Parts: sequence; structure tokens; C-alpha cells
Amino acid sequence: AQTIHQWPVAEIKAVGSPLSLGCTIKGKSSPNLYWYWQATGGTLQQLFYSITVGQVESVVQLNLSASRPKDDQFILSTEKLLLSHSGFYLCAWSLEGGGSDYTFGSGTRLLVI
Amino acid sequence: GDSVTQTEGLVTLTEGLPVMLNCTYQTIYSNPFLFWYVQHLNESPRLLLKSFTDNKRTEHQGFHATLHKSSSSFHLQKSSAQLSDSALYYCALSVNNYAQGLTFGLGTRVSVFP
Repeated sequence: AQTIHQWPVAEIKAVGSPLSLGCTIKGKSSPNLYWYWQATGGTLQQLFYSITVGQVESVVQLNLSASRPKDDQFILSTEKLLLSHSGFYLCAWSLEGGGSDYTFGSGTRLLVI
Repeated sequence: GDSVTQTEGLVTLTEGLPVMLNCTYQTIYSNPFLFWYVQHLNESPRLLLKSFTDNKRTEHQGFHATLHKSSSSFHLQKSSAQLSDSALYYCALSVNNYAQGLTFGLGTRVSVFP
């Protein structure tokens, strides 16, 4: 069975500090991977997607970057956090095709102070 | 670009009553895929149901929805709400075969009271 693991579960970080969030998919080769951001009480905003290793497409940057160093790994990062980066970050995967199910990880809660 | 509209921000109702959540979408693509996701408190979104077939009813866990391309709608319904249905409900759209991800509506919070 496929599993999706996100780390860390939660972070409290200072404004201006760096950030790295990770996501690992097990049990599925060459998945499509996505990063979503959810402000408290807000909708889900897609940030990045990746169809293959080494290739990442930006949807909304929000002063963040993403990388896919391995087939099963997706990293979200920034050199300098802003207060507006606070929220819930979700990694998701799907198979090929627009009608495929999109499965979300358990998410990382980030508070920037 | 593509968009999804959910007109109700909050729906409150008594247990046992029917519930309907509205969802309409805009896209230039003629074959969209529509989804409903449910997010309980402090959890991540979970797929509730999906459809890409025009005028065909889709059901899961007591909920149902029908994609109507003529009106660009995919409303979610349940005949009898339960306390455990209290959650955030998101309608979402996917439009192409390159799996560029989902476009979500703003969500509807459903609160069911005894």
C-alpha cells in the first residue's frame, strides 16, 4: 500500500529564519507530487507540482521554492521566512491523469513568529 | 484560469436533516474532473467522491453528487446529516492529463447539532 509521510509534524520558527519541509511517498513509483498551503481557516492553495525527478513547476511561489531530489521525495524550502508563511502545508500525490485520486499527507503546521 | 465557487461559507443544521452544498466551476476544458474533499478538525483533506461523467450520480458514505456540465455544477447532498459530518468540505477541479493538480473552492464549513 502507498504511504505518504510528511516531516516535521509542526514547527515554530522566527521571521527571517530558513525552512525545510519534506515529503516521502512509499509504494508508488514516479508519482506526481504537489505542495499545497492552507492558511488558518482558508482554502487550499497549490504551490508547486512535480511530474518527475528534478523537475518542479511553480503555481504560486509565495517566496518559497521546491525540489524533487529523488523519485519519492519532495522538499519545500525558503531561506527567509515571513509571517505570512504561517499555515498548514500539505504534500499530495497522484497517478497520471486529471481524474486520478489526489491523496494528502498528514501535513506540517508552521507558525512563524 | 480555472475556478471553483462554493457559495456557502458556513452551513449549520440539526442532525437528521438533509444537507446540500453548492459547487459551480469555470473552465475552458470540456472534460473536467470534479472532486469533493472533506477535512475534519486537525486532519488533512480526504477524498469523499469524484466524477467526470456528465449527468451520472456518484455516491459514497451516504453522500452523493451529480456532475452537470450544462450548468457547470457538482453539488454535494446527503439526505440525513450526522454529527460526524461536521467538517470542512471542499469542491475541487482538475482539468487535464498532465496532473497539474487540483483547484479548490473556498470551502464550506458544516456544523451539525443534536
